Amino acid sequence: DARVTQTPRHKVTEMGQEVTMRCQPILGHNTVFWYRQTMMQGLELLAYFRNRAPLDDSGMPKDRFSAEMPDATLATLKIQPSEPRDSAVYFCASGNIPVTEAFFGQGTRLTVV
Amino acid sequence: DQQVKQNSPSLSVQEGRISILNCDYTNSMFDYFLWYKKYPAEGPTFLISISSIKDKNEDGRFTVFLNKSAKHLSLHIVPSQPGDSAVYFCAAKNSGTYKYIFGTGTRLKVLA
Repeated sequence: DARVTQTPRHKVTEMGQEVTMRCQPILGHNTVFWYRQTMMQGLELLAYFRNRAPLDDSGMPKDRFSAEMPDATLATLKIQPSEPRDSAVYFCASGNIPVTEAFFGQGTRLTVV
Repeated sequence: DQQVKQNSPSLSVQEGRISILNCDYTNSMFDYFLWYKKYPAEGPTFLISISSIKDKNEDGRFTVFLNKSAKHLSLHIVPSQPGDSAVYFCAAKNSGTYKYIFGTGTRLKVLA
């Protein structure tokens, strides 16, 4: 049963620390997304990749966030330094856009104290 | 600037009745629309979609209607069941891009 896998599921860290979230997209999918869920903004698009190339990261605070896709089986989202306002659930999704919809992972719940 | 808006944060409906969830958008270049359902502690799951060349798509109890002139889409669930209780997100894709823009979600509660 193919699924998007995210690790860790939960992360509590202190302000100023580096946080790395990982995502294994579904094999063969050509598009990978990073979203952040907040109460006010719903699901915010942070960045997305098409065939591993970054296409749009305009949703990310560039000074502290970075997203990479070192190979077809791994996408990473890094925050350095982390701040309390970064506390949210971060979702990775993949799909064969536009042929299929996007499939979401279970998310990483990040708490920055 | 929120390009996809879900103005009702919550909705309660009796079991067996119709649930209508609404979504408005501002970008006339959107060419594909989707609805996702999300249960607590899980990722969103795809429910139903519609292309901008259509005005209706139906899948079992779920029907999505698109009114391009009003830049409005709606999801109808009939009959509603307690298992439909979840947060529903609408999303849209801009033609020429591959990214989905999501709304803020509507929490549906179906009362038994």
